[in-house]
Amino acid sequence: EIVMTQSPATLSVSPGERATLSCRASQSVSSNLAWYQQKPGQAPRLLIYGASTRATGIPARFSGSGSGTEFTLTISSLQSEDFAVYYCQQYNNWWTFGQGTKVEIK
Amino acid sequence: QITLKESGPTLVKPTQTLTLTCTFSGFSLSTSGVGVGWIRQPPGKALEWLALIYWDDDKRYSPSLKSRLTITKDTSKNQVVLTMTNMDPVDTATYYCAHKSFGDYFDYWGQGTLVTVSS
Repeated sequence: EIVMTQSPATLSVSPGERATLSCRASQSVSSNLAWYQQKPGQAPRLLIYGASTRATGIPARFSGSGSGTEFTLTISSLQSEDFAVYYCQQYNNWWTFGQGTKVEIK
Repeated sequence: QITLKESGPTLVKPTQTLTLTCTFSGFSLSTSGVGVGWIRQPPGKALEWLALIYWDDDKRYSPSLKSRLTITKDTSKNQVVLTMTNMDPVDTATYYCAHKSFGDYFDYWGQGTLVTVSS
């Protein structure tokens, strides 16, 4: 099973600042990596797939990069609605999720 | 417009079998490349993939839970059913079903249903 490790567990950021979230795979997943956003009481929402392609309707301030085992989700200028938990997920070999990064208001 | 909705019991007793139904619209599970998966999330914890069924009835299960899970589909009813045997309090979680895209990621999710395991 491929293990996904996200860091940090919690990220404190001020509105308008940049947030950088990391995700590492225990073995290469090529570019088969997705990012999801989850707000309290809601289902996850797909943000990024293919490591760097924004899903339909996702604002341009969200960007993804990386391949192989190291991936990054960047939110260029945090808006109030972006404070949430973010999960990475590999789909190269079945499906596994990271443990999540909570982005909170500083 | 793709939508999915989970249904089933909110409370089950330890050792019982859980049966959850995912009813969907906006796509057909007979279309090549399409699948429906189940994912769960214990309160305050991370997401865990459980099972997935493909359009051609091929099935995949989480290795750690494989012995307890069965996934089936009824294409005519636009439903996917997940059964989990021998429920335990650690299985308390919100259970989601989700549409698997041609690219193998989950692009549409149901709202989730909270299942509590308690005597």
